Amino acid sequence: KAGVTQTPRYLIKTRGQQVTLSCSPISGHRSVSWYQQTPGQGLQFLFEYFSETQRNKGNFPGRFSGRQFSNSRSEMNVSTLELGDSALYLCASSVDTDALGAFFGQGTRLTVV
Amino acid sequence: KQEVTQIPAALSVPEGENLVLNCSFTDSAIYNLQWFRQDPGKGLTSLLLIQSSQREQTSGRLNASLDKSSGRSTLYIAASQPGDSATYLCAVTPNYGQNFVFGPGTRLSVLP
Repeated sequence: KAGVTQTPRYLIKTRGQQVTLSCSPISGHRSVSWYQQTPGQGLQFLFEYFSETQRNKGNFPGRFSGRQFSNSRSEMNVSTLELGDSALYLCASSVDTDALGAFFGQGTRLTVV
Repeated sequence: KQEVTQIPAALSVPEGENLVLNCSFTDSAIYNLQWFRQDPGKGLTSLLLIQSSQREQTSGRLNASLDKSSGRSTLYIAASQPGDSATYLCAVTPNYGQNFVFGPGTRLSVLP
């Protein structure tokens, strides 16, 4: 059974640009959530999607947005990149929103220069 | 606002020792608590999930307990091995959903 797949694995962008990250959940999983991991702030929740609807949202500015498609794949977009957006972005999937076993992808390492 | 802390921040032990990692959370109204491990530069691997109505969960050499009323959880690792070296993260979900609040982690080194 394939795990959670995140693409790309590494990304370098310039300040002011925008970026889109992709997450393909485990087959049959309908919930996808996104997290930002930095050395200073640790792991912080961005948002969660279930059946194409945003169910929970963290405390990030509106530059961070996401969506989920009918096949449960999810994308995260960050507009007007700032140096502080450099981080490891992780997504997790689970069967339902009751968090019965969340499975994480390997992450996308974003560097903003 | 839910806050999660973990003690100690780092731990170095010789192989074979039993050890305990601690996690505390400020709001006892949690849906569940989960322990993860993270290896350098990699994603998270789920170790144990404890529902709010449960007191403990066991998997192999790992045992996790939950005391909601006091806002505490412990992860017990028996007979530690060098392969257990990783960062261990505690996370709680404040409500129905996959919206974890993570602790800062405990970095564990098991020396051969």
